[in-house]
Amino acid sequence: GEQVEQLPSILRVQEGSSASINCSYEDSASNYFPWYKQEPGENPKLIIDIRSNMERKQIQELIVLLDKKAKRFSLHITDTQPGDSAMYFCAASRVNYGNEKITFGAGTKLTIKP
Amino acid sequence: EAAVTQSPRNKVTVTGGNVTLSCRQTNSHNYMYWYRQDTGHGLRLIHYSYGAGNLQIGDVPDGYKATRTTQEDFFLLLELASPSQTSLYFCASSDGTASAETLYFGSGTRLTVL
Repeated sequence: GEQVEQLPSILRVQEGSSASINCSYEDSASNYFPWYKQEPGENPKLIIDIRSNMERKQIQELIVLLDKKAKRFSLHITDTQPGDSAMYFCAASRVNYGNEKITFGAGTKLTIKP
Repeated sequence: EAAVTQSPRNKVTVTGGNVTLSCRQTNSHNYMYWYRQDTGHGLRLIHYSYGAGNLQIGDVPDGYKATRTTQEDFFLLLELASPSQTSLYFCASSDGTASAETLYFGSGTRLTVL
């Protein structure tokens, strides 16, 4: 089955700087790559996603890049704010294959230092 | 936003005990999932289902059974609980179709096996 590796596991950045999280996957048939944010004591929530027909997607300060050849994708948070402190999970899945299974990475704990 | 309700919120049992975790979604989603969340491992898929009566095996199924009785209800069963199953369990649902792959998570059930 699909395996998703996520690095780093812990990330601390200064407020206002950028934060980057990297993920890699094994199944070349994976075609959908979402990112979820989990604040302390809360459940994970989707923040941005990218499909295999795209290389880059941006929603406000969130940028996702996808390199299908290398089977890697990444999340970049620009101009970080205290509210960005949270756990972040990447995931990979094969949409429209039926029997959809979503595999998550191990997570990154992001802390924004004031 | 999709509503996914888990019960109980907290559960304590002893080794060898019998536990049932419940999940109900009220948005007629096709897919429902059970994940466990552990530090260092992220969200790991236990079982999932794409409709009433259907069950698919996830990545960490050992020691768990699941049953999807209706479109709305998905149960996770631990028939002989062990301390290694102490974890935070999340249920999630999604429509599973193109452009509707977002996972909506419940609030989680914290299970402690003594």
